[in-house]
Amino acid sequence: GENVEQHPSTLSVQEGDSAVIKCTYSDSASNYFPWYKQELGKRPQLIIDIRSNVGEKKDQRIAVTLNKTAKHFSLHITETQPEDSAVYFCAASIGSGGSNYKLTFGKGTLLTVNP
Amino acid sequence: DSGVTQTPKHLITATGQRVTLRCSPRSGDLSVYWYQQSLDQGLQFLIQYYNGEERAKGNILERFSAQQFPDLHSELNLSSLELGDSALYFCASSPTSGSTYEQYFGPGTRLTVT
Repeated sequence: GENVEQHPSTLSVQEGDSAVIKCTYSDSASNYFPWYKQELGKRPQLIIDIRSNVGEKKDQRIAVTLNKTAKHFSLHITETQPEDSAVYFCAASIGSGGSNYKLTFGKGTLLTVNP
Repeated sequence: DSGVTQTPKHLITATGQRVTLRCSPRSGDLSVYWYQQSLDQGLQFLIQYYNGEERAKGNILERFSAQQFPDLHSELNLSSLELGDSALYFCASSPTSGSTYEQYFGPGTRLTVT
């Protein structure tokens, strides 16, 4: 089955700096890669996603890049703010037709943005 | 608010007992997924239902079962509970169309087994 590795497990940055989180996946059939942000005790919240037919996607201060050949994808957060502090999870899935299938998650990255 | 609802928010029970967790998907979503989140295992997929039928199974224990009803709400049944079953249980739902793959998570049920 699919295996998703995520690094680093913790990341501490100064406010205004950039943060990068990297993930690799094992199943070449995976074609959908979402990123979730989870604050303590709350639900995972979808912040951005990318499909395998796209190499990069950006939404304001966050961007995701995908390298299908190398089977890795990354989350980039620019101009970090204290409210960006949370655990970030990458995931991989196979989407087909009108539905997708199970998400396989990485272990998460605890991002701390210091004021 | 994702539009996915889960009840109860918290559940405290004893080992050996049985509990039922309930999930209502977003309006119109036919797919429901259950995930377990624990400190040592992270977020793990348990099972998926699509329009009332089981579609995929993950690392779900035999003591656990689920179903999706005609009104599309889903229930996850956990029996013969053990201390290690203490975790956050999330359900998620997914739009049903040819071009959307997003899964939206509910607020979760925190299960504590004592």
